[in-house]
Amino acid sequence: AQSVTQPDIHITVSEGASLELRCNYSYGATPYLFWYVQSPGQGLQLLLKYFSGDTLVQGIKGFEAEFKRSQSSFNLRKPSVHWSDAAEYFCAVGSSGSARQLTFGSGTQLTVLP
Amino acid sequence: NAGVTQTPKFQVLKTGQSMTLQCAQDMNHEYMSWYRQDPGMGLRLIHYSVGAGITDQGEVPNGYNVSRSTTEDFPLRLLSAAPSQTSVYFCASSYSKWAGGLAGHEQYFGPGTRLTVT
Repeated sequence: AQSVTQPDIHITVSEGASLELRCNYSYGATPYLFWYVQSPGQGLQLLLKYFSGDTLVQGIKGFEAEFKRSQSSFNLRKPSVHWSDAAEYFCAVGSSGSARQLTFGSGTQLTVLP
Repeated sequence: NAGVTQTPKFQVLKTGQSMTLQCAQDMNHEYMSWYRQDPGMGLRLIHYSVGAGITDQGEVPNGYNVSRSTTEDFPLRLLSAAPSQTSVYFCASSYSKWAGGLAGHEQYFGPGTRLTVT
């Protein structure tokens, strides 16, 4: 069965600082990987996605993620955080079968200090 | 396109009551699904459908029913509400099951329904 671990429940960074959110997955084949962001009271917005090709993926809002097969990781990064980035971030792995099920991590809450 | 819409946005039920959460999409997506979100647990799949007339159970299906009579709509029914079903419910849809690669797996989420069962 597939699973996703986000080891950091809560991260606090200062505005302008760099950010890295960790994600480790468990999946038997090549995974479909996603990062979503959820602002308070809102739905989920897709930041970026990966299946194959270049292991460094660019997304929206200046985010990027790097796929490392050897470490089963798909960490999310941003060079300079803005106050509007404060939100909850979810990593997800998608199955290749007809179920198209997404398995989510438990999320990382990001707080941005002025 | 409105994308994925959900109604209502908020709902309070008493234990034992039944209700239907509505979900609709106007993107002609074949795949639709329901997730529930609970604090510290991410989102968990309740039921999904790969096309009209076809549904299947996800990770946490107990206490919920679904049907898919049209491509556009995928309602979620709570048969007899329990306090354990207090949660935020999200509906999602994605491209045709025949779409390969990432296009077939990217899911679009609705704004959610916040349900409280007392």
